[in-house]
Amino acid sequence: GENVEQHPSTLSVQEGDSAVIKCTYSDSASNYFPWYKQELGKGPQLIIDIRSNVGEKKDQRIAVTLNKTAKHFSLHITETQPEDSAVYFCAASYRSSNTGKLIFGQGTTLQVKP
Amino acid sequence: NAGVTQTPKFQVLKTGQSMTLQCAQDMNHNSMYWYRQDPGMGLRLIYYSASEGTTDKGEVPNGYNVSRLNKREFSLRLESAAPSQTSVYFCASSLLGGFEVNQPQHFGDGTRLSIL
Repeated sequence: GENVEQHPSTLSVQEGDSAVIKCTYSDSASNYFPWYKQELGKGPQLIIDIRSNVGEKKDQRIAVTLNKTAKHFSLHITETQPEDSAVYFCAASYRSSNTGKLIFGQGTTLQVKP
Repeated sequence: NAGVTQTPKFQVLKTGQSMTLQCAQDMNHNSMYWYRQDPGMGLRLIYYSASEGTTDKGEVPNGYNVSRLNKREFSLRLESAAPSQTSVYFCASSLLGGFEVNQPQHFGDGTRLSIL
């Protein structure tokens, strides 16, 4: 069945360092991969997404890379700041015969130490 | 612009009680979703509505019902609450959905539900 594995479950970095979170998906037909950031007590917020016709996408300090052959994609945060501390979720699209949905990873808790 | 609004924010129920969680969006989106979030399990889809007038089961629909009241509102009902339904519930919406799943979803801030 459809599945998204996300690693690591927790990540602690020093302010200014880079952080990388990796996800692996099971359905080779998946073609949409969003990343969400969830702050304490809030709902997930979309921070970046990528479609399968693109290998990499950047937005200021964040970037996402996609390897369709290996079926994995990664979130890269450079020059981390304390306000980057949050839970991050990846997701992959999954389509059946007449409908579709997003399958989410288990989440990564990122702590940025000042 | 409120986005996706969920009510209530917190609720405590006793086993066997019923309750309806409300969700409304003001972005003129066609598709709406209900997820539950449990520690270490990410977000799991309970039900969704690809468009007004349609609803479909997600990954974990047992024990829940939904109503797409109109384009703006999508409610989730627990008919007889069980402790296993203790969770944080999120409503989301997207411009398109169903087969057109390649759309950003916008989330509310959740309802924290405890069932004793």
